[in-house]
Amino acid sequence: QKEVEQDPGPLSVPEGAIVSLNCTYSNSAFQYFMWYRQYSRKGPELLMYTYSSGNKEDGRFTAQVDKSSKYISLFIRDSQPSDSATYLCAMKGGSYIPTFGRGTSLIVHP
Amino acid sequence: EAGVAQSPRYKIIEKRQSVAFWCNPISGHATLYWYQQILGQGPKLLIQFQNNGVVDDSQLPKDRFSAERLKGVDSTLKIQPAKLEDSAVYLCASSGTSGSGELFFGEGSRLTVL
Repeated sequence: QKEVEQDPGPLSVPEGAIVSLNCTYSNSAFQYFMWYRQYSRKGPELLMYTYSSGNKEDGRFTAQVDKSSKYISLFIRDSQPSDSATYLCAMKGGSYIPTFGRGTSLIVHP
Repeated sequence: EAGVAQSPRYKIIEKRQSVAFWCNPISGHATLYWYQQILGQGPKLLIQFQNNGVVDDSQLPKDRFSAERLKGVDSTLKIQPAKLEDSAVYLCASSGTSGSGELFFGEGSRLTVL
């Protein structure tokens, strides 16, 4: 079992839809949870950062962490074609190195 | 604030040749990472530096890969000799707080080994 599991997609949605992206993990030591957006031929860009459990909102983006279930989510409201990208979850805890999921490819069509 | 700078952006080499990638992190960031991202996969850590010391290089194929960060600022990753399976994007990232995991990435260096 990989430390971080993420469905690669692709996930195709119409413009304006609510998008839900998810990751599961196995290492209970993870405390820091991140979501990165990666456009084609670009480096990952930090979108959301959460410490421990709970929700965090930033504009159209909401990150949720459920440590009891070892499950994290990123919600995108009112999705736009410009949101089309690969979304990577990442986690870190204690002395563990930052570990990434394989990414979910999102396509928002007009 | 300037971001993480990497060069070259693209490199094509024959197998068994050597290649070097350069990274300049965000000013003041003590932690520097090199990740390898193969097409369709998430980034995999190769090496982590804290200032000019190595924190973790457990996943670096040391028979062919080497990395240094001599003055605790910029860093170089070298591959010698290259294999076909080394074709990937090499991402450099830096972090100002080693414990938090907020990594800031460069654009990456795309390597094709023929």
